[in-house]
Amino acid sequence: RKEVEQDPGPFNVPEGATVAFNCTYSNSASQSFFWYRQDCRKEPKLLMSVYSSGNEDGRFTAQLNRASQYISLLIRDSKLSDSATYLCVVKAGANNLFFGTGTRLTVIP
Amino acid sequence: AAGVIQSPRHLIKEKRETATLKCYPIPRHDTVYWYQQGPGQDPQFLISFYEKMQSDKGSIPDRFSAQQFSDYHSELNMSSLELGDSALYFCASSSRPQREKRGEQYFGPGTRLTVT
Repeated sequence: RKEVEQDPGPFNVPEGATVAFNCTYSNSASQSFFWYRQDCRKEPKLLMSVYSSGNEDGRFTAQLNRASQYISLLIRDSKLSDSATYLCVVKAGANNLFFGTGTRLTVIP
Repeated sequence: AAGVIQSPRHLIKEKRETATLKCYPIPRHDTVYWYQQGPGQDPQFLISFYEKMQSDKGSIPDRFSAQQFSDYHSELNMSSLELGDSALYFCASSSRPQREKRGEQYFGPGTRLTVT
């Protein structure tokens, strides 16, 4: 079983829509949580860290539920430039990151 | 802002050859990580270094080795290359977690290795 599970999508949404991604992680000792975005054939780019109390950065809101081992990302007012693969990432114990397989988002004009 | 630098960006090698990938972390970052991303796969952690010492080891084959130098740059050495080694190799760097910073990792643009 993978450390981090995500719905691979694809999600195809119109501009201006609100879209939510979810992921679950298996290691209850996981310490830090992140969302990265990755464009085709490019490097993963940090979108935001996820804090226990939930956090917001502009149109992006991240939530963490430690009891359910569940992380979410909400994107409001989707833009064409939001089209990418969104990676749920967990750091457990040591320094390395565990990546979900990513959820592919396409925002349609 | 300065980012992680990787070289070369593209590399083509034949089976059984060797390859060396280089990574220059963001200034003042003391930890580097290597990841391998195969086609259609998520990045897989290989190995990491903190202050020039190996800090964690993932799914790095015995044919590969890596080190971090006094200027914090790192090199990934790959020998006896196999077709299955064809992938994107990312280097990431971070500073030590402190206060609100979680030791977020910032990725370089990657080296695309093709083994023929």
